Amino acid sequence: EDQVTQSPEALRLQEGESSSLNCSYTVSGLRGLFWYRQDPGKGPEFLFTLYSAGEEKEKERLKATLTKKESFLHITAPKPEDSATYLCAVQERYGGSQGNLIFGKGTKLSVKP
Amino acid sequence: DTAVSQTPKYLVTQMGNDKSIKCEQNLGHDTMYWYKQDSKKFLKIMFSYNNKELIINETVPNRFSPKSPDKAHLNLHINSLELGDSAVYFCASSHVLGATSQSSYEQYFGPGTRLTVT
Repeated sequence: EDQVTQSPEALRLQEGESSSLNCSYTVSGLRGLFWYRQDPGKGPEFLFTLYSAGEEKEKERLKATLTKKESFLHITAPKPEDSATYLCAVQERYGGSQGNLIFGKGTKLSVKP
Repeated sequence: DTAVSQTPKYLVTQMGNDKSIKCEQNLGHDTMYWYKQDSKKFLKIMFSYNNKELIINETVPNRFSPKSPDKAHLNLHINSLELGDSAVYFCASSHVLGATSQSSYEQYFGPGTRLTVT
């Protein structure tokens, strides 16, 4: 069973059309939830860390929120340069692999002009 | 300055060969990681390592071994390469988690090494 599930797998938007990406997780205790952006042929680029339910963080057109079971990445008035794969990852509070990130399979976002 | 760097960027080799991928970070981090990204773009942890502890994902074959000459470097050695080892390998680094830390530290990734085994 996947511990981190992202939806949708792919999302196509017109420039300026706001939307949200979802990341649901099932871990025994959450140390942190991370959002990354990955462009083709490059490594994941860190965007946000969220620690507790109710927390929100913003960066330019992106806003990340967290509940006890899921996180949303809201994209407001996206531009073509926002096209990328967005990865969600969780870090567990307990267990021997506390530092490791457990990634979802990502949402591939395409923004058309 | 590049924060986390990897060499080579591309590596093409034949089955049965032994190869290494190098990783260096200049962020002053204490912990380094290796991840494998498969053809479906799924990122999965292989190893995490700091100066005290190596944690190995149990699904990683023992043909893979990390070597750390110092805190800033974590190289990945792969013996007897197989076709299924073809993937993109990412190195990452972060501050070490404290025993009583209630916070979490983001990991910074290198640009990746695309390994193709023929």
